[in-house]
Amino acid sequence: NAGVTQTPKFQVLKTGQSMTLQCAQDMNHNSMYWYRQDPGMGLRLIYYSASEGTTDKGEVPNGYNVSRLNKREFSLRLESAAPSQTSVYFCASSEAGGRDGYTFGSGTRLTVV
Amino acid sequence: RKEVEQDPGPFNVPEGATVAFNCTYSNSASQSFFWYRQDCRKEPKLLMSVYSSGNEDGRFTAQLNRASQYISLLIRDSKLSDSATYLCVVPSGGYNKLIFGAGTRLAVHP
Repeated sequence: NAGVTQTPKFQVLKTGQSMTLQCAQDMNHNSMYWYRQDPGMGLRLIYYSASEGTTDKGEVPNGYNVSRLNKREFSLRLESAAPSQTSVYFCASSEAGGRDGYTFGSGTRLTVV
Repeated sequence: RKEVEQDPGPFNVPEGATVAFNCTYSNSASQSFFWYRQDCRKEPKLLMSVYSSGNEDGRFTAQLNRASQYISLLIRDSKLSDSATYLCVVPSGGYNKLIFGAGTRLAVHP
């Protein structure tokens, strides 16, 4: 039972480069989320997808785009990476719109130099 | 005022101790809450949900005080394996927007 799988686990980018973080869940959950976590701060919501075919902005969407490719997959794209985007990125999914909490992936540690 | 505030700690306690963390929230409309546990360099994992006045699961008890807008987590008979960061989580405008506190770090020593 894989749960939520994120790739890659680590990445170093140069300023201005682009990349896509991949996330897939095998729990048949409707809702998926992207969060970032920075030292001394709580996880902050970047984007979420309440159901297949919909996406909405969270608290910190600037500099990011997302795609809900199908029910299983939700990707996060950085078009032009900046040092301020150095962070740990977590993907999560939930059944019932999050009422029973989220299941998180193991995270992607991204450094932008 | 931040939407969710927690004492960052660290709380350093001996094995067997009882320790309590508090969390305050600003959205009075929030109906249910969560405590997550996060180990160093790992993902958060759901510890407990709090839907009414409180919830108990073994050594862990979560209580909710709606009037004062705080949630507490009590850990009895602390184990070394309880060492982690505990995140208080509050829905904001629905369960698709969970707001995470910055966490309270617990270190249990022999």
